[in-house]
Amino acid sequence: GAVVSQHPSWVICKSGTSVKIECRSLDFQATTMFWYRQFPKQSLMLMATSNEGSKATYEQGVEKDKFLINHASLTLSTLTVTSAHPEDSSFYICSASAQGANTGELFFGEGSRLTVL
Amino acid sequence: LAKTTQPISMDSYEGQEVNITCSHNNIATNDYITWYQQFPSQGPRFIIQGYKTKVTNEVASLFIPADRKSSTLSLPRVSLSDTAVYYCLVGGFSGNTPLVFGKGTRLSVIA
Repeated sequence: GAVVSQHPSWVICKSGTSVKIECRSLDFQATTMFWYRQFPKQSLMLMATSNEGSKATYEQGVEKDKFLINHASLTLSTLTVTSAHPEDSSFYICSASAQGANTGELFFGEGSRLTVL
Repeated sequence: LAKTTQPISMDSYEGQEVNITCSHNNIATNDYITWYQQFPSQGPRFIIQGYKTKVTNEVASLFIPADRKSSTLSLPRVSLSDTAVYYCLVGGFSGNTPLVFGKGTRLSVIA
C-alpha cells in the first residue's frame, strides 16, 4: 500500500519552544491530509484537515494559532506546535488518502511522539 | 458519520479465532465499514474494508449482515503479535473525508 512518512518519530523539547512535524506521502499525491493526536490509552482524536494550497480546517477546541498547519505541496504537510507546554505532550499522527481514491482507505504515518519538558 | 460501538477489550489464547463485533445502527446507504489495527506507538494500519456480505483477505474476514447495522471482524488463529487495538470505522469516504475513531477494542492474546 501507499506510504506516509512522518518526521521526526520522536522529539523532546523545552517548554516554550516550537516544534515542527512533517508528514509526507512518499508514492502518491494527497490534496488532503489529516492530523490526529493521541494521548496514552486513548483513541485518536482528529485535530485538523490540511488542504493543499489553502487554510487548514480545525476541529472544535483545537487552537489554530497554537497548532499551525501548512500544506504547501501535494506530498507534504507540516504541523508546528508553537510555544509548546507539557500538556501538549502527545503522539501526533498524520494520514492521507491517495488523490482520486473513492473507497476511503487512509494511510497513516508512523506517528511522532512529542515530549515537552 | 455513523457512531460505532465495540467491546472495550477482549482476551484470547494463541491459536484461537477471534471475532470482534461492531455496532453501527445509523449507517448510511453509501457508508463503507473499515477496520484498522494499531500497535503501541504506531499509526493505525488498514486491515479490511467492506460494504456488504463477506470480505476476506490474507489477514482477516469481515462479515456484514444484510441490514448492515453491525459488522464482525474475524481474525483466524491469532498469535501474540496480534495483540493490538482494533478500530471499526464507518463512513461514506472520499479522499477529503477524515476518519473519526471510536474507542476501539483492545485485544490481548495470551500464550
